[in-house]
Amino acid sequence: QKEVEQDPGPLSVPEGAIVSLNCTYSNSAFQYFMWYRQYSRKGPELLMYTYSSGNKEDGRFTAQVDKSSKYISLFIRDSQPSDSATYLCAMSGHGSSNTGKLIFGQGTTLQVKP
Amino acid sequence: DVKVTQSSRYLVKRTGEKVFLECVQDMDHENMFWYRQDPGLGLRLIYFSYDVKMKEKGDIPEGYSVSREKKERFSLILESASTNQTSMYLCASSRVEAFFGQGTRLTVV
Repeated sequence: QKEVEQDPGPLSVPEGAIVSLNCTYSNSAFQYFMWYRQYSRKGPELLMYTYSSGNKEDGRFTAQVDKSSKYISLFIRDSQPSDSATYLCAMSGHGSSNTGKLIFGQGTTLQVKP
Repeated sequence: DVKVTQSSRYLVKRTGEKVFLECVQDMDHENMFWYRQDPGLGLRLIYFSYDVKMKEKGDIPEGYSVSREKKERFSLILESASTNQTSMYLCASSRVEAFFGQGTRLTVV
Protein backbone atom coordinates (compact mmCIF):
# COMPACT_ATOMS: atom_id res chain seq x y z
CA GLN A 1 0.00 0.00 0.00
CA LYS A 2 1.29 3.44 -0.92
CA GLU A 3 1.73 6.00 1.85
CA VAL A 4 -0.34 8.53 -0.13
CA GLU A 5 -3.19 7.56 -2.43
CA GLN A 6 -4.66 9.90 -5.04
CA ASP A 7 -7.07 9.06 -7.83
CA PRO A 8 -5.29 9.89 -11.12
CA GLY A 9 -8.56 10.73 -12.92
CA PRO A 10 -8.89 12.23 -15.44
CA LEU A 11 -11.59 14.47 -14.04
CA SER A 12 -13.59 16.55 -16.53
CA VAL A 13 -15.96 19.32 -15.40
CA PRO A 14 -17.79 22.23 -17.05
CA GLU A 15 -16.59 25.77 -16.49
CA GLY A 16 -17.98 27.22 -13.27
CA ALA A 17 -18.28 23.88 -11.47
CA ILE A 18 -16.96 23.23 -7.97
CA VAL A 19 -14.10 20.75 -8.12
CA SER A 20 -13.14 18.44 -5.27
CA LEU A 21 -9.74 16.74 -5.28
CA ASN A 22 -8.75 14.29 -2.55
CA CYS A 23 -5.92 12.29 -1.07
CA THR A 24 -5.77 9.68 1.65
CA TYR A 25 -2.69 8.71 3.59
CA SER A 26 -1.56 6.07 6.04
CA ASN A 27 1.27 7.68 8.04
CA SER A 28 -0.08 9.39 11.16
CA ALA A 29 3.25 11.28 11.54
CA PHE A 30 2.39 13.58 8.64
CA GLN A 31 1.88 17.14 9.88
CA TYR A 32 2.40 19.31 6.80
CA PHE A 33 0.10 19.10 3.81
CA MET A 34 0.52 20.72 0.44
CA TRP A 35 -1.21 20.99 -2.90
CA TYR A 36 0.66 21.62 -6.12
CA ARG A 37 -0.55 22.47 -9.61
CA GLN A 38 1.43 21.30 -12.61
CA TYR A 39 0.84 22.44 -16.16
CA SER A 40 2.06 20.26 -19.00
CA ARG A 41 5.85 20.26 -19.41
CA LYS A 42 6.36 22.54 -16.41
CA GLY A 43 7.51 22.01 -12.83
CA PRO A 44 4.89 21.80 -10.04
CA GLU A 45 3.99 25.10 -8.37
CA LEU A 46 2.86 25.36 -4.77
CA LEU A 47 -0.84 26.25 -4.42
CA MET A 48 -1.69 25.70 -0.77
CA TYR A 49 0.16 24.72 2.39
CA THR A 50 -1.55 23.63 5.63
CA TYR A 51 -0.14 22.61 8.97
CA SER A 52 -2.04 19.95 10.92
CA SER A 53 -5.84 19.85 10.73
CA GLY A 54 -8.30 22.48 9.59
CA ASN A 55 -9.20 24.61 6.60
CA LYS A 56 -7.31 27.21 4.65
CA GLU A 57 -8.76 29.45 1.97
CA ASP A 58 -7.01 31.41 -0.78
CA GLY A 59 -9.25 33.00 -3.36
CA ARG A 60 -11.13 30.27 -5.21
CA PHE A 61 -9.11 27.53 -3.50
CA THR A 62 -9.83 25.86 -0.15
CA ALA A 63 -7.66 23.18 1.42
CA GLN A 64 -9.03 20.90 4.13
CA VAL A 65 -7.19 18.46 6.36
CA ASP A 66 -8.92 15.81 8.47
CA LYS A 67 -6.18 14.06 10.40
CA SER A 68 -8.60 11.76 12.22
CA SER A 69 -9.64 10.28 8.87
CA LYS A 70 -6.22 10.73 7.24
CA TYR A 71 -7.90 12.58 4.40
CA ILE A 72 -7.11 15.88 2.68
CA SER A 73 -9.08 17.80 0.07
CA LEU A 74 -8.67 20.71 -2.30
CA PHE A 75 -11.79 22.53 -3.47
CA ILE A 76 -11.81 24.83 -6.48
CA ARG A 77 -14.80 27.15 -6.78
CA ASP A 78 -15.96 28.67 -10.06
CA SER A 79 -13.51 26.53 -12.01
CA GLN A 80 -11.94 28.05 -15.13
CA PRO A 81 -10.37 26.49 -18.23
CA SER A 82 -7.05 27.87 -16.96
CA ASP A 83 -7.40 25.51 -13.96
CA SER A 84 -6.89 22.57 -16.32
CA ALA A 85 -3.74 20.91 -14.99
CA THR A 86 -2.51 18.05 -12.86
CA TYR A 87 -2.96 18.55 -9.12
CA LEU A 88 -0.61 16.79 -6.73
CA CYS A 89 -0.98 16.42 -3.00
CA ALA A 90 2.14 16.16 -0.85
CA MET A 91 2.84 15.70 2.81
CA SER A 92 5.66 15.44 5.31
CA GLY A 93 6.11 14.99 9.01
CA HIS A 94 8.45 15.18 11.93
CA GLY A 95 10.68 12.42 13.10
CA SER A 96 14.29 11.43 12.59
CA SER A 97 13.51 9.29 9.58
CA ASN A 98 11.35 11.61 7.57
CA THR A 99 11.92 15.21 8.59
CA GLY A 100 11.56 17.33 5.50
CA LYS A 101 11.01 14.37 3.20
CA LEU A 102 7.97 14.99 1.02
CA ILE A 103 5.72 12.17 -0.09
CA PHE A 104 3.60 12.88 -3.17
CA GLY A 105 0.36 11.46 -4.45
CA GLN A 106 0.23 10.33 -8.05
CA GLY A 107 -1.60 13.47 -9.17
CA THR A 108 -5.12 14.03 -10.54
CA THR A 109 -5.53 15.38 -14.06
CA LEU A 110 -8.29 17.98 -14.24
CA GLN A 111 -9.89 19.33 -17.39
CA VAL A 112 -12.29 22.28 -17.20
CA LYS A 113 -14.33 22.59 -20.36
CA PRO A 114 -15.56 26.03 -21.55
CA ASP B 1 10.61 35.60 -5.35
CA VAL B 2 11.75 32.08 -4.59
CA LYS B 3 13.88 30.43 -7.19
CA VAL B 4 15.04 26.93 -8.00
CA THR B 5 17.04 26.82 -11.20
CA GLN B 6 17.87 23.71 -13.18
CA SER B 7 20.77 24.02 -15.57
CA SER B 8 19.03 22.68 -18.68
CA ARG B 9 15.43 22.44 -19.91
CA TYR B 10 16.19 19.81 -22.55
CA LEU B 11 19.11 17.38 -22.87
CA VAL B 12 19.91 14.61 -25.33
CA LYS B 13 22.64 12.18 -24.33
CA ARG B 14 24.00 8.91 -25.68
CA THR B 15 23.80 5.56 -23.93
CA GLY B 16 26.79 5.07 -21.62
CA GLU B 17 27.55 8.76 -21.18
CA LYS B 18 28.01 10.25 -17.71
CA VAL B 19 25.36 12.92 -17.26
CA PHE B 20 25.29 15.77 -14.78
CA LEU B 21 22.08 17.61 -13.87
CA GLU B 22 22.62 20.72 -11.82
CA CYS B 23 20.20 22.50 -9.49
CA VAL B 24 20.66 25.75 -7.59
CA GLN B 25 18.34 27.35 -5.04
CA ASP B 26 18.51 30.85 -3.59
CA MET B 27 16.31 30.36 -0.51
CA ASP B 28 18.91 29.00 1.94
CA HIS B 29 16.87 25.80 2.29
CA GLU B 30 18.31 22.81 4.11
CA ASN B 31 16.46 20.18 2.10
CA MET B 32 16.91 19.45 -1.57
CA PHE B 33 15.41 16.70 -3.70
CA TRP B 34 15.70 15.04 -7.07
CA TYR B 35 12.61 13.41 -8.56
CA ARG B 36 11.83 11.84 -11.86
CA GLN B 37 8.38 12.01 -13.37
CA ASP B 38 7.01 9.53 -15.87
CA PRO B 39 3.47 9.22 -17.30
CA GLY B 40 1.29 7.09 -15.04
CA LEU B 41 3.98 6.78 -12.35
CA GLY B 42 3.84 10.21 -10.76
CA LEU B 43 6.80 11.79 -8.97
CA ARG B 44 9.36 9.28 -7.74
CA LEU B 45 12.08 10.33 -5.33
CA ILE B 46 15.60 9.51 -6.45
CA TYR B 47 17.68 11.16 -3.72
CA PHE B 48 17.14 13.59 -0.89
CA SER B 49 19.68 15.79 0.90
CA TYR B 50 18.95 17.39 4.28
CA ASP B 51 22.28 19.16 4.71
CA VAL B 52 25.57 19.80 2.96
CA LYS B 53 27.30 16.50 2.18
CA MET B 54 24.35 14.59 3.63
CA LYS B 55 22.17 12.45 1.41
CA GLU B 56 19.55 9.78 1.66
CA LYS B 57 18.36 7.32 -0.96
CA GLY B 58 14.85 7.71 -2.22
CA ASP B 59 12.66 5.12 -3.87
CA ILE B 60 14.65 4.64 -7.08
CA PRO B 61 18.36 5.45 -6.50
CA GLU B 62 19.79 2.71 -8.74
CA GLY B 63 21.90 4.12 -11.55
CA TYR B 64 22.09 7.57 -9.94
CA SER B 65 24.34 9.38 -7.51
CA VAL B 66 24.24 12.89 -6.05
CA SER B 67 26.58 15.55 -4.78
CA ARG B 68 25.94 18.42 -2.38
CA GLU B 69 29.16 20.29 -1.68
CA LYS B 70 27.43 23.63 -1.04
CA LYS B 71 24.07 24.35 0.53
CA GLU B 72 22.61 25.99 -2.54
CA ARG B 73 23.63 23.37 -5.10
CA PHE B 74 22.49 19.77 -5.55
CA SER B 75 23.72 17.73 -8.49
CA LEU B 76 22.29 14.51 -9.89
CA ILE B 77 24.70 12.23 -11.71
CA LEU B 78 23.78 9.44 -14.08
CA GLU B 79 26.89 7.28 -13.97
CA SER B 80 26.23 5.53 -17.29
CA ALA B 81 23.09 6.76 -18.98
CA SER B 82 20.63 4.18 -20.26
CA THR B 83 17.50 4.52 -22.39
CA ASN B 84 15.27 3.69 -19.42
CA GLN B 85 16.51 6.88 -17.77
CA THR B 86 14.77 8.97 -20.40
CA SER B 87 12.43 11.06 -18.27
CA MET B 88 11.53 14.45 -16.82
CA TYR B 89 13.82 15.27 -13.89
CA LEU B 90 12.65 17.71 -11.26
CA CYS B 91 14.70 19.36 -8.55
CA ALA B 92 13.10 20.87 -5.45
CA SER B 93 14.19 22.58 -2.26
CA SER B 94 12.33 23.05 1.00
CA ARG B 95 12.36 24.10 4.57
CA VAL B 96 8.85 22.65 4.89
CA GLU B 97 6.90 23.29 1.66
CA ALA B 98 8.89 22.51 -1.45
CA PHE B 99 9.60 24.71 -4.44
CA PHE B 100 10.41 23.16 -7.77
CA GLY B 101 12.55 24.01 -10.72
CA GLN B 102 11.16 23.95 -14.24
CA GLY B 103 12.43 20.46 -14.92
CA THR B 104 14.94 18.90 -17.28
CA ARG B 105 13.60 16.67 -20.01
CA LEU B 106 16.37 14.14 -20.61
CA THR B 107 16.39 11.87 -23.63
CA VAL B 108 18.93 9.05 -23.76
CA VAL B 109 19.46 7.64 -27.25
